[in-house]
Order: sequence, then structure tokens, then C-alpha cells
Amino acid sequence: KNEVEQSPQNLTAQEGEFITINCSYSVGISALHWLQQHPGGGIVSLFMLSSGKKKHGRLIATINIQEKHSSLHITASHPRDSAVYICAVRYTDKLIFGTGTRLQVFP
Amino acid sequence: SAVISQKPSRDICQRGTSLTIQCQVDSQVTMMFWYRQQPGQSLTLIATANQGSEATYESGFVIDKFPISRPNLTFSTLTVSNMSPEDSSIYLCSVNWGRYGYTFGSGTRLTVV
Repeated sequence: KNEVEQSPQNLTAQEGEFITINCSYSVGISALHWLQQHPGGGIVSLFMLSSGKKKHGRLIATINIQEKHSSLHITASHPRDSAVYICAVRYTDKLIFGTGTRLQVFP
Repeated sequence: SAVISQKPSRDICQRGTSLTIQCQVDSQVTMMFWYRQQPGQSLTLIATANQGSEATYESGFVIDKFPISRPNLTFSTLTVSNMSPEDSSIYLCSVNWGRYGYTFGSGTRLTVV
């Protein structure tokens, strides 16, 4: 079993839909990161969380430390949100990555 | 957070050759990280590069195959040596800004034929 599990692996949506991506982890962490990977391979950091909730534009990230679970929400999804979303946890001095959720948003 | 310039963005290489990937950061950083992402897989840490010392390699990665240079606090290179098709992956560098999180390079998509 991987230390970081994401669901779903693949997700398709119509423009405007509310999207939720889930991440569960099994180790004690100091922080959790949500990352966005574009088709060319480059990665953009969206959020770093150690507790509670953060919001940036249409993106919302939450974390429940007791349940070892985090969610990334996208409100009013748009085709430009199409990407792979990766959850990564900071464990000791390293990042452990999930396998990603591939999101496609259609007009 | 800073910006990382990673080159090349992609390359197609013959087996048995070597490719050097460069990352330039626009701020000084102590540690730089090199990752590999094989097709359909999550990112795996190859090594941590500190300026002025040998890189620290993770289990399964060796210096002869993935030599790393870190000549100053803003630059690092990763070489993929004696390549085989199994080395076809995306390679990424990254830096950690503490409470500001991580910045990643734009990635190098390597195909070995």
C-alpha cells in the first residue's frame, strides 16, 4: 500500500461543475502539498497545508490531520483546469507523492 | 517563491548516450532536489544536491548513473548516463522554501530510443 493514495485516478467534468479530489495518507506529516502538473511535465505548487483550509480563487484545499485526509475542490471548473493534480506529503525531510488525478474539463 | 529555469524541456536520445539537464534558480538555495517520474507513475526522489558537498542519493539511484553537479547556490545539473529505454521519464528539479513550500522546474521529458 502506498503511503499516499489519491482518488479518483481519472475524472472528467463539464465546464462549471464542482470538482473534488481526495488524498489519504498513512504517515505522520508536517505538511501536505497540492500540485498541478501540466502536459509538458512542469509542476506548479497550489497549496501547502498543515491544518484547516486554504482558498485561492476557485481552488479550495482542506486537511483533517486526525483522519489523515485532504481534499482539493475546484468550483466552477473550466477547461483550463485540465491537468494532473498531485497530492504530496512532507514526511521527515522528504516529499512522498501520490500518483495523481487526471482531470479533464470539457466545454 | 523563486523561478526555476530547467533545460532542455524535452529530448530524444539514442541508447548508450548521456544527457545533462540544467536547473537555474533566480535565488540562492541550500538544497536542490532531483526527481524522476516514469510514465504513469508518481515522482520519485533521485538525490538531494547540496552546494559544496556530494549529492545524497536515494535507494536505487547511484552516482555513476546519475551524476549531479552543484557548483553554486543557484545552479545544478543532473546527467543521465549510458541511457536505455527504461530511462525514458520526466525529470524535474525542485527547491524548498520552508514555510513557502516548493518550487518545481518545468520538467525535462526524455525519450530514449
